[in-house]
Amino acid sequence: AQSVTQLGSHVSVSEGALVLLRCNYSSSVPPYLFWYVQYPNQGLQLLLKYTTGATLVKGINGFEAEFKKSETSFHLTKPSAHMSDAAEYFCAVSDTGGFKTIFGAGTRLFVKA
Amino acid sequence: DAGVIQSPRHEVTEMGQEVTLRCKPISGHNSLFWYRQTMMRGLELLIYFNNNVPIDDSGMPEDRFSAKMPNASFSTLKIQPSEPRDSAVYFCASSPEQGYPYGYTFGSGTRLTVV
Repeated sequence: AQSVTQLGSHVSVSEGALVLLRCNYSSSVPPYLFWYVQYPNQGLQLLLKYTTGATLVKGINGFEAEFKKSETSFHLTKPSAHMSDAAEYFCAVSDTGGFKTIFGAGTRLFVKA
Repeated sequence: DAGVIQSPRHEVTEMGQEVTLRCKPISGHNSLFWYRQTMMRGLELLIYFNNNVPIDDSGMPEDRFSAKMPNASFSTLKIQPSEPRDSAVYFCASSPEQGYPYGYTFGSGTRLTVV
């Protein structure tokens, strides 16, 4: 069975600081991995995804994530936080059929001025 | 494209009443998913369809929940009778094709409150 663990339900950074949101996955097959962002009172929006190939993937709004198979991790980073990045972020894993996507519990990012 | 459209945005109903949530996926998307989001349980997959056919409904919590997709442009999630513990935000999402990880496009959700 597949699962996702997001380390830290809340992360707080200062504006301009590095953003690091951690995600570890469990999968018996090569996984597809995703990061989504949810702003208040909105649905989830796809930030980026890893399928195959290059392990460093870039997404929207300056975010990127690196797939590390040896560490079963897919951490999300952004070099410099903006106030507009304050939201909840979800890591997700899908089986190779792309059928069912399992979401992590989410990490709420706070950005301090 | 207008994206995934859900209605209503908010629903307040009394315990025991029937509730119907609606979803219009993105045109051309063949897969449709219903999720429920609560503080306690996070995002839970309830059911998903491919080409209008229900593929997996193992996440539907009880027989009180049912979902249909009569055509490619419309799906409903019905709760009958509703209970206070059904209060949650219900999301519909669609994806172009099953079997490839395009990722999902989510609607804005329906916030259901059962009193």
